[in-house]
Amino acid sequence: NAGVTQTPKFQVLKTGQSMTLQCAQDMNHNSMYWYRQDPGMGLRLIYYSASEGTTDKGEVPNGYNVSRLNKREFSLRLESAAPSQTSVYFCASSEIGLAGANEQFFGPGTRLTVL
Amino acid sequence: AQSVTQLDSQVPVFEEAPVELRCNYSSSVSVYLFWYVQYPNQGLQLLLKYLSGSTLVKGINGFEAEFNKSQTSFHLRKPSVHISDTAEYFCAVTSSGSARQLTFGSGTQLTVLP
Repeated sequence: NAGVTQTPKFQVLKTGQSMTLQCAQDMNHNSMYWYRQDPGMGLRLIYYSASEGTTDKGEVPNGYNVSRLNKREFSLRLESAAPSQTSVYFCASSEIGLAGANEQFFGPGTRLTVL
Repeated sequence: AQSVTQLDSQVPVFEEAPVELRCNYSSSVSVYLFWYVQYPNQGLQLLLKYLSGSTLVKGINGFEAEFNKSQTSFHLRKPSVHISDTAEYFCAVTSSGSARQLTFGSGTQLTVLP
């Protein structure tokens, strides 16, 4: 049971290049999330997918696109990378309980540097 | 809207001393509260959670937290810390009104000194 996996672990891009970050979960969760983590700012939600076939913007969606490929996989795409997108990216998944609580499980992260 | 404030960005403490990491939240509806820990170069791991019931919540690695509704706080405590507790700790809140949104505080770096 791997939980939430992310690829790649590290990536260096030049300004203007594109790339896709991959995320997969094996916990049969309906909801999946993409966050970015920057020093002193905690985690900020980029996009989320409440269920297969749906996606919604979070707090900081500009410059990103997402695809919920199936129930297991949720990818994040940078179409034209900018230095401001240098960050650590985390994928998470959850199954929202009947009470509405949202305990999320996180992947190990992708460290992205844009030069 | 909901928000979380972690009052201390860095907390240094000597080994075997007690520690308290402070967290305050704001929300107009019922809340669910979480503490996550992040060890260097790793993802976030759930320490403990408050969903309902007893306001004193016990988690992994000897940590506990107390939900105080009147003070809108959810402070994390450990009576005796170890070197291995050195990590960044994040408080997070979600609410019945926005179950999809987990809002994080800015984090507290706990450094345990020998």
